[in-house]
Amino acid sequence: AQKVTQAQTEISVVEKEDVTLDCVYETRDTTYYLFWYKQPPSGELVFLIRRNSFDEQNEISGRYSWNFQKSTSSFNFTITASQVVDSAVYFCALSRDGANFGNEKLTFGTGTRLTIIP
Amino acid sequence: GAGVSQTPSNKVTEKGKYVELRCDPISGHTALYWYRQSLGQGPEFLIYFQGTGAADDSGLPNDRFFAVRPEGSVSTLKIQRTERGDSAVYLCASSLEHLYNEQFFGPGTRLTVL
Repeated sequence: AQKVTQAQTEISVVEKEDVTLDCVYETRDTTYYLFWYKQPPSGELVFLIRRNSFDEQNEISGRYSWNFQKSTSSFNFTITASQVVDSAVYFCALSRDGANFGNEKLTFGTGTRLTIIP
Repeated sequence: GAGVSQTPSNKVTEKGKYVELRCDPISGHTALYWYRQSLGQGPEFLIYFQGTGAADDSGLPNDRFFAVRPEGSVSTLKIQRTERGDSAVYLCASSLEHLYNEQFFGPGTRLTVL
């Protein structure tokens, strides 16, 4: 069985501060994918990143960066110099590396509500 | 191009009634997923179609829930004898082969069972 734990239910930071959202996962699969999605107040889930289990390199995209550590089963997300527009619920998710061209169901965590205070 | 669309955006029904929720995936996307999101929770998987067939329906909670995708494009999620516990946002997502599970989500249908 797969499981994703996001222990931080809610985080509030003042604008321009850095913030890290934690994600810990459990899986028996040797190959898998990890994801982060953003759900703004409008409600529509927005894809942010996909990582496969073979690639432990950290990734940076603008103000966003991701730290994948297989040894601790963690895939943490950091926002640098936060902005009010970053306020949203952020979900970490996990899927198997399936036979159907990679298409498999996503197992989501319970999300972290991030509020950026102006 | 157009994203995933879902209709209706809101549906209010009475306990015991039958409802249908529709999903139009992104054109050309062969994989289609249904998830359910309760308040304060992450989306929970219901069913996944690859083309016209259900490749994985392990998330359907019971036999009151059924989904179809007869032509490999539009999908309908059907709920019989609705119960108050079925109230949630029902999300649809689609993805393209070889994009390794980058799922594009629709805005959801908020179902309220009174």
